[in-house]
Amino acid sequence: QQQVKQSPQSLIVQKGGIPIINCAYENTAFDYFPWYQQFPGKGPALLIAIRPDVSEKKEGRFTISFNKSAKQFSLHIMDSQPGDSATYFCAARLGGGGNKLTFGTGTQLKVEL
Amino acid sequence: DGGITQSPKYLFRKEGQNVTLSCEQNLNHDAMYWYRQDPGQGLRLIYYSQIVNDFQKGDIAEGYSVSREKKESFPLTVTSAQKNPTAFYLCASSIPPGRKNTGELFFGEGSRLTVL
Repeated sequence: QQQVKQSPQSLIVQKGGIPIINCAYENTAFDYFPWYQQFPGKGPALLIAIRPDVSEKKEGRFTISFNKSAKQFSLHIMDSQPGDSATYFCAARLGGGGNKLTFGTGTQLKVEL
Repeated sequence: DGGITQSPKYLFRKEGQNVTLSCEQNLNHDAMYWYRQDPGQGLRLIYYSQIVNDFQKGDIAEGYSVSREKKESFPLTVTSAQKNPTAFYLCASSIPPGRKNTGELFFGEGSRLTVL
């Protein structure tokens, strides 16, 4: 059962463009929504995260937009650079004190010159 | 430097053989996790441990086993009962989420297992 649906599967943008990756969830008990970035041959690393009481969070060129009523959240990368080429995973965590994350299927982003 | 070390990075196994993947962390984290990554399927949780000598099954535990005898170590054994063991395996650790921390997962660089 896919509890976090991520799209698109892959994305190609030109340098300076604004790629947008979308995720949707079903379980309203999720209380924390991180995004992880993974470069080839490496483990994922936390990029940015948001809690459902906030509609937007920005860190540098990365922004999460969160729509609680629609149960959707998205990652925007401003002024994208070739170094941003990586796989991006959204995730969601159930509230209650545990730390089990449910991940989306990933988006492979390529930023071309 | 603090971090998570996984070994080996690449491993080949014949069908019917068990294999053990090593995961060691020096971050002093209580919780450790094993994820499996397959193309187009994201990361799926195999097992996790919140404290020494205790662990729980994740979403895809069948055909795998773990132990947590030391805080620093959380080895994963892929048994011959695992029907599709070829995958990229990721180990992670974290501190419990709380008011002042998010419970961020710190990942190792992974082990790629290929069954011949």
